[in-house]
Amino acid sequence: EAGVVQSPRYKIIEKKQPVAFWCNPISGHNTLYWYLQNLGQGPELLIRYENEEAVDDSQLPKDRFSAERLKGVDSTLKIQPAELGDSAVYLCASSLRTGDGYTFGSGTRLTVV
Amino acid sequence: AQKVTQAQTEISVVEKEDVTLDCVYETRDTTYYLFWYKQPPSGELVFLIRRNSFDEQNEISGRYSWNFQKSTSSFNFTITASQVVDSAVYFCALSGVNTDKLIFGTGTRLQVFP
Repeated sequence: EAGVVQSPRYKIIEKKQPVAFWCNPISGHNTLYWYLQNLGQGPELLIRYENEEAVDDSQLPKDRFSAERLKGVDSTLKIQPAELGDSAVYLCASSLRTGDGYTFGSGTRLTVV
Repeated sequence: AQKVTQAQTEISVVEKEDVTLDCVYETRDTTYYLFWYKQPPSGELVFLIRRNSFDEQNEISGRYSWNFQKSTSSFNFTITASQVVDSAVYFCALSGVNTDKLIFGTGTRLQVFP
């Protein structure tokens, strides 16, 4: 069984540019999460989806961040425009249902210069 | 508010030593889950264990063991006879039964030297 797939693995962009990250969860997993991990810190939840619906986006900075999960499968996280402080690892995870352990992807390491 | 504290920032041991990673949590929920994840240099978070707050039995899986003590709000992780491949950052995490949001500690970096 394939795990959670994220791309790209690394991304370097200049500040004020847009950037997008893609996540393909494990097949059949209805719940999808985006987490932000700053250097030396634990991950923090940005947004959680149940199928197509964003059920918890309270931590998502909506002025510059957006996310979508069309058809309840793949998801895209976008930042526009990126700032220097957005440099971090963006992790995607999925679970079969609420309360199960998550499966995380390898993450996208973003560097904003 | 929920909080997870991993006071040990970094631990270094020599191969075959036993090592314990500490985790202390705070929550007002009566039912919750506790987790441990391993993050090797590749970056992926690898699930190790999930423990329900009602189950205080210690658990052993190979060289790994977990000690859950509700009285001290601790969920410590011990690696017996450590190996170089155990080198990674280890995260303890907490979630409520209904929220499903994981609250992570800041992690403990374990370095095992040959």
